[in-house]
Amino acid sequence: DAGVTQSPTHLIKTRGQQVTLRCSPISGHKSVSWYQQVLGQGPQFIFQYYEKEERGRGNFPDRFSARQFPNYSSELNVNALLLGDSALYLCASSAVSYSNTEAFFGQGTRLTVV
Amino acid sequence: SQQGEEDPQALSIQEGENATMNCSYKTSINNLQWYRQNSGRGLVHLILIRSNEREKHSGRLRVTLDTSKKSSSLLITASRAADTASYFCATEVGAQKLVFGQGTRLTINP
Repeated sequence: DAGVTQSPTHLIKTRGQQVTLRCSPISGHKSVSWYQQVLGQGPQFIFQYYEKEERGRGNFPDRFSARQFPNYSSELNVNALLLGDSALYLCASSAVSYSNTEAFFGQGTRLTVV
Repeated sequence: SQQGEEDPQALSIQEGENATMNCSYKTSINNLQWYRQNSGRGLVHLILIRSNEREKHSGRLRVTLDTSKKSSSLLITASRAADTASYFCATEVGAQKLVFGQGTRLTINP
């Protein structure tokens, strides 16, 4: 079975542009979460979606938005890119939305803003 | 903000030795998880320990949890070159929201 897949793997954007990152969860998983990992830091929680509804949001500006589709895939959208948005964006999927369950991460999308 | 803090930030040992990493956190948790990350790629789940558990084993991994001290440790026995990676603890604060520490960079020297 395929794991969590993210696309693209690398991306270079200019300040002020908009970007859309994509994530396909493991088959059967209904929960998708997004994390931002700046170089040298641990990942930081951005969003969690379950059954197409937002279940959690981290401390990120409104420039960050996400959605989940009927097939449980998800997109993360970032508007008006800043240099500080350069990071590895990780998607994680799990079977359920409640606690004590394992999250499976994709390989990430490395975004560079110039 | 980061809830967990790993210690040490970097660790370099010889192949075959044991590696111990520590994690401290601040608030009450549902569980604590350890992840490995190779060269800035995706995170690989290693082990989950629930708040009512004190110790857990998985292969060469041993994790302890002390909720009174709000701390956890990860022991990797008989280290191998392939264990070279960054290791993160993550606490679950609310369902499915993981709060990660800054990680320990482990280097295994041949």
